[in-house]
Amino acid sequence: AQSVTQLGSHVSVSEGALVLLRCNYSSSVPPYLFWYVQYPNQGLQLLLKYTSAATLVKGINGFEAEFKKSETSFHLTKPSAHMSDAAEYFCAVSNSGGYQKVTFGTGTKLQVIP
Amino acid sequence: DTEVTQTPKHLVMGMTNKKSLKCEQHMGHRAMYWYKQKAKKPPELMFVYSYEKLSINESVPSRFSPECPNSSLLNLHLHALQPEDSALYLCASSQERGQQNNEQFFGPGTRLTVL
Repeated sequence: AQSVTQLGSHVSVSEGALVLLRCNYSSSVPPYLFWYVQYPNQGLQLLLKYTSAATLVKGINGFEAEFKKSETSFHLTKPSAHMSDAAEYFCAVSNSGGYQKVTFGTGTKLQVIP
Repeated sequence: DTEVTQTPKHLVMGMTNKKSLKCEQHMGHRAMYWYKQKAKKPPELMFVYSYEKLSINESVPSRFSPECPNSSLLNLHLHALQPEDSALYLCASSQERGQQNNEQFFGPGTRLTVL
């Protein structure tokens, strides 16, 4: 079975500092990986996805993630944090079976300090 | 239109009530999903519909009954719920059930409170 592990349930950064949210995956086949963001009392919004076309994936709102097979990682980064980035971030993996079942990590809450 | 809409936004119900949650999308997606999300937890998959047919039921109690009347609509009928069923219920859709790289589009959710 495929799974993702998010290291750090809470991350605090200063406004303007680098954002790094960690995600490691476990998969016996090439995975399909996603990062979603959830603002309070809202649904999830896709930030970016990895589909094997390129290892460095650029997403919305200045976020990007790099797929590293040797480290089984798909960490999310943003060079400069903005107050509006404060939210819950979920890493997710899609299974390789005949249907799409997405398994989410436990989430990382990002706090941005002014 | 790249939006998934859900109604109502909030719902409070007693344990003997019958209510329904509604989800709608007009993106032509043929796969639709119900998730349950408890506070500070990730979404948990409940049901998957593909081409209006139920394809996945993640061992959800029968007090939750999904329905897909057409390709744009997804309902979740609720009956005899328990207080522990209080959660945010999220609907999502994607282009094709079998495409693992297709992202799911989520609605804003219905915040359900069972008294």
